[in-house]
Amino acid sequence: GQNIDQPTEMTATEGAIVQINCTYQTSGFNGLFWYQQHAGEAPTFLSYNVLDGLEEKGRFSSFLSRSKGYSYLLLKELQMKDSASYLCAALDSNYQLIWGAGTKLIIKP
Amino acid sequence: DVKVTQSSRYLVKRTGEKVFLECVQDMDHENMFWYRQDPGLGLRLIYFSYDVKMKEKGDIPEGYSVSREKKERFSLILESASTNQTSMYLCALAKGGDAYEQYFGPGTRLTVT
Repeated sequence: GQNIDQPTEMTATEGAIVQINCTYQTSGFNGLFWYQQHAGEAPTFLSYNVLDGLEEKGRFSSFLSRSKGYSYLLLKELQMKDSASYLCAALDSNYQLIWGAGTKLIIKP
Repeated sequence: DVKVTQSSRYLVKRTGEKVFLECVQDMDHENMFWYRQDPGLGLRLIYFSYDVKMKEKGDIPEGYSVSREKKERFSLILESASTNQTSMYLCALAKGGDAYEQYFGPGTRLTVT
């Protein structure tokens, strides 16, 4: 079967760095997405990785290792507004997104 | 900016009622999707459409149907609402071709009593 695993909840301190991990098992693989979702709102697109390596976009970076079926989202210089759920989703061989349940990130002052 | 609108943010319906949820885009994107989101379960795909009058079942189509008569509009229909269909419903769209990122509407929180 197809499966995405990510931690349910994480806590970090304002100004710090946090890494949210995601492992995936899919039938075929065509890339890995990260989305941010604030409580009561829709998910918004953060990043897409299809090749191995790190992609940096401001305070947020996303890493992919296809051989390990592993990705992480790295958030630097955490701000209170980063408190949200972060969703990992893998694009399978049919180009359908398989979604993880999301990681709720709590930022403390 | 991609704009996706959904007909209602909050909706309360009674068991057995027929419910229509509408999604409208202004981006001329090919692909449109309907998901439901429940705590701890992540997003689950109900139906999607790659073009006008085309529809494909997702992972949980039972109890739902869809309609796409015009490119910009994708409707989700609950033929006879049940309490287990209480959920957040999210519409999404993607450009098509090799552009796979999805853009979401604000969501409709449906409560069936």
